[in-house]
Amino acid sequence: LAKTTQPISMDSYEGQEVNITCSHNNIATNDYITWYQQFPSQGPRFIIQGYKTKVTNEVASLFIPADRKSSTLSLPRVSLSDTAVYYCLVAQNTGFQKLVFGTGTRLLVSP
Amino acid sequence: GAGVSQSPSNKVTEKGKDVELRCDPISGHTALYWYRQSLGQGLEFLIYFQGNSAPDKSGLPSDRFSAERTGGSVSTLTIQRTQQEDSAVYLCASGLSGTETGPQHFGDGTRLSIL
Repeated sequence: LAKTTQPISMDSYEGQEVNITCSHNNIATNDYITWYQQFPSQGPRFIIQGYKTKVTNEVASLFIPADRKSSTLSLPRVSLSDTAVYYCLVAQNTGFQKLVFGTGTRLLVSP
Repeated sequence: GAGVSQSPSNKVTEKGKDVELRCDPISGHTALYWYRQSLGQGLEFLIYFQGNSAPDKSGLPSDRFSAERTGGSVSTLTIQRTQQEDSAVYLCASGLSGTETGPQHFGDGTRLSIL
């Protein structure tokens, strides 16, 4: 399983754009990149998934360069409610998907 | 629609007792996973069910842990003779599985405290 590296914590202010970068140098050809968000006392919540280039949904954008050795989760105009832990995961997208969660990035959004 | 439901949300029990944790996956999801999250830590994979196939038990920490999934839907994680190190949040996730697996969807977990 590809190991991921992401910052332990980040601070931001309301209304700003937040970019969280994740490194996954050993990503395999059939691996997808998935980001989850977790609030205290809740299970992780799926945010976005991608394989290459750019993916956008109503919550976030995911940028993946051509070599796929890193990815960046972009949260536009964050609010206080975006304060959470964000996990970057890499796993195959077929059959048994054993997710390996690291310690994630703790994002603190201040007024 | 309804998400993954877990019960109880909190469980406090004495060391040595057995506990059962329940997971109701999203309807139609063939894959079901159990994870454990200790305080301030990432998630630790425990067991995986896919349809009617034999489960992948490679993550179970000891033979005190077992799980079953009845009728390809509801799952129960059982911990026998609980120990204090079993205290954690136990999370269940479900998802589609096959040629395109897609993301896992998590419940809010059962917080287990062993006194």
